[in-house]
Amino acid sequence: QQQVRQSPQSLTVWEGETAILNCSYEDSTFDYFPWYHQFPGESPALLIAIRPVSNKKEDGRFTIFFNKREKKFSLHIADSQPGDSATYFCAASYSNYQLIWGSGTKLIIKP
Amino acid sequence: EAAVTQSPRNKVAVTGGKVTLSCNQTNNHNNMYWYRQDTGHGLRLIHYSYGAGSTEKGDIPDGYKASRPSQENFSLILELATPSQTSVYFCASGGAPGQGNERLFFGHGTKLSVL
Repeated sequence: QQQVRQSPQSLTVWEGETAILNCSYEDSTFDYFPWYHQFPGESPALLIAIRPVSNKKEDGRFTIFFNKREKKFSLHIADSQPGDSATYFCAASYSNYQLIWGSGTKLIIKP
Repeated sequence: EAAVTQSPRNKVAVTGGKVTLSCNQTNNHNNMYWYRQDTGHGLRLIHYSYGAGSTEKGDIPDGYKASRPSQENFSLILELATPSQTSVYFCASGGAPGQGNERLFFGHGTKLSVL
């Protein structure tokens, strides 16, 4: 079964620092890599996504870095804010198939 | 904004009882999904559907059935509930993967406790 591995399981950073969340995958045919975030008591919501045609995708303070050769992608959250505290899930899929989810990273931003 | 509504929000069931979780979406999405979320496991796919009348098994279908009577509605059925099915269940809808419309929209979740 295809897997998406996510690390670390939990991460604590100080406000203003850059938080880095990592994922890796096995299947080289994956062509869509989203990150979802989930605040306590709420449902997951799409944060940002990338396709392999690019190795970087930015949206404000959030950036995905993608390394096709190493089959890795990461989410960088610059200038972390306490409001960014949430659980972050990476995922991957390929055309017409379902998302394969990572196990999540619980991010805590300390003020 | 796309809307996915789940009911009930909370449910307490007895072991061996039948439980039906309902989901309604107003996005006109073809695809709908049922996930369960447990600490340490992230989101696990139970059943999904490509459209009215279709249901497909996900990664953990045992003990669950699904029904998609219309484009808008997708139900998850536990015929004989067990304590191991205590969890938070999320319904989601989305466009077909690979067609530039992969974003999933989730409902607020149903917290199910089986005693």
